[in-house]
Order: sequence, then structure tokens, then C-alpha cells
Amino acid sequence: AQKVTQAQTEISVVEKEDVTLDCVYETRDTTYYLFWYKQPPSGELVFLIRRNSFDEQNEISGRYSWNFQKSTSSFNFTITASQVVDSAVYFCARSQGGSEKLVFGKGTKLTVNP
Amino acid sequence: DGGITQSPKYLFRKEGQNVTLSCEQNLNHDAMYWYRQDPGQGLRLIYYSQIVNDFQKGDIAEGYSVSREKKESFPLTVTSAQKNPTAFYLCASSPSGNIYEQYFGPGTRLTVT
Repeated sequence: AQKVTQAQTEISVVEKEDVTLDCVYETRDTTYYLFWYKQPPSGELVFLIRRNSFDEQNEISGRYSWNFQKSTSSFNFTITASQVVDSAVYFCARSQGGSEKLVFGKGTKLTVNP
Repeated sequence: DGGITQSPKYLFRKEGQNVTLSCEQNLNHDAMYWYRQDPGQGLRLIYYSQIVNDFQKGDIAEGYSVSREKKESFPLTVTSAQKNPTAFYLCASSPSGNIYEQYFGPGTRLTVT
């Protein structure tokens, strides 16, 4: 199976620190999509970003930024100046084949301490 | 407000009973999905449907059944054949025609004893 690997199971930081969540994926597809989701303690997954495999530009949205490197099959997520509200489980996912099915990593639990 | 609703939030059942989890969306999305999440695990796809009256098995469909009689509804039945049904169940939907982001409901936590 073509996996999505989030090697960091849990990360703990102090507020205002920068933190990077790693995501490495396997795929034999030429075209695919990558995603990041946030799951706060309430349980509902919140969509953060969708990236096409042909678009390797880094993206910044406020304190969030994403670094997509096709050469290393990585799609890392950085939170700058972390806040307590960033505490959640973050999932990386990729599309499967040409379908709308997603393959998820196991998630990284981020705890931001005051 | 547009969104996905799942009910109930918590569900308790005795072993050997079938149970149906509700999922409704008013986003006018064609595609709907059911995932299962276990502690420390990612989401695993149970079933998905790209259009009314059609659905496909995901990676862990055994012991589950679904129906898609209406565009806005995609109920999941956890049957007594599911060996380990206690889990957090998430429903999602997305537009079809391209690989779009999926929007998730709040989830149902099912406990079977």
C-alpha cells in the first residue's frame, strides 16, 4: 500500500515557538493531491490546505506555511509563533490513484503549552 | 448554515446488535464518505458514494453496510458481524468531478459492550 507517514507521533512546544510537522508520502501516481487537516479535541476534522502535485510553490496562510518538495515526497507543515489554540491532532493525506479517496497518515498530536 | 450533521454524538450498544449511524449534509455535494478512527490511528475508509444509489467499499468494509437513497443522506450500519466496532466514526462529503477537499461532520463515538 502506498503510505502516508507522519513520523512524529506527539510534539510538545511552548507558546510562541515555531513547530514543523513532517509528512512523507508514497505514490506511483503522476497527478495527485495532498492535504492537511486539523482535528481539535472536539473531534471534527478541519480542512487546512489542498495542494496539486504540479504546484510546488510554498504556501503561507497567516501563521501557517507548507513546504512541498516533490523530490523527497514531503509536504511539511510549519506553524509560526504557536498558540495554545493550535493544540490538536494534525493529519496529512494524499489522494489515491485518480479517485477521490484519501489515504491518511496516523496523525501528529501537537500540544502547545502556555 | 451549510454543513454535515452526524447523530448521535455518543452511542452505546450491546454486542450482537446492529446499529445505524446517521449522516446528513446540505452542501449539495455528490460524494460522501465514512471513515473509522481508532486511538492513535489515522482515518480508514469504510465506504464511499460518488452519486445517489451507488457506493463502493473502502479499505475496511467488512461488517458494515450503507445506503445512498438521497443525495443528502448516507447512513452507516454497523452490523453484529463487525468484530471490533467500538471506534470514532466520521462522515465526510465533497463535490465530485475533481479531487476536492472533504468536509467532515462532528463524528459519532460508538461504544459496544
